[in-house]
Amino acid sequence: SQTIHQWPATLVQPVGSPLSLECTVEGTSNPNLYWYRQAAGRGLQLLFYSVGIGQISSEVPQNLSASRPQDRQFILSSKKLLLSDSGFYLCALRQGANYGYTFGSGTRLTVV
Amino acid sequence: QKEVEQNSGPLSVPEGAIASLNCTYSDRGSQSFFWYRQYSGKSPELIMSIYSNGDKEDGRFTAQLNKASQYVSLLIRDSQPSDSATYLCAVTGRGGYQKVTFGTGTKLQVIP
Repeated sequence: SQTIHQWPATLVQPVGSPLSLECTVEGTSNPNLYWYRQAAGRGLQLLFYSVGIGQISSEVPQNLSASRPQDRQFILSSKKLLLSDSGFYLCALRQGANYGYTFGSGTRLTVV
Repeated sequence: QKEVEQNSGPLSVPEGAIASLNCTYSDRGSQSFFWYRQYSGKSPELIMSIYSNGDKEDGRFTAQLNKASQYVSLLIRDSQPSDSATYLCAVTGRGGYQKVTFGTGTKLQVIP
């Protein structure tokens, strides 16, 4: 079965510091991978998605970036965090367009 | 108009009752519909998917889809305190990668 590993579970970072969140996948090959953010009291916002190594599509302009250096690895980064970057970051995969998502356990980021 | 709308709740039902959660969507070309359960502080978990008009049952859960009315619902029979969570409706639209849009969720409280 498919498994998504995300770490760390929680993170407190100062404004202006860099960020790197990693997501790895097991049990599947060439998955479509996604980064979502869920701000307090708000819905899930799609940040990036990737259909393969080196292929990244961005949904919203912001100070975040994503990379996919390996088939089963998806990384979310920032050079300088903003207060507004606080939220619950979720990595997800799905087998195809008509399938639901499998989410990782998430990283709760607080920017102070 | 929001693309996917849900009543934020909280919806309170007594233990053993039927909980009815509703969702409307704006894109008539939407093709796939999903319900996720999200416990506080945890990541969403897929519980139901439905693709054609009518009802789909899985244990105590029934998803109902009416494309003409652009309406999808989730019924939970014999509600248990463990069903207390936020339920997210998600809709897959048209387009190259069939973007998924989430509602903001309905919080369900099952009272013992």
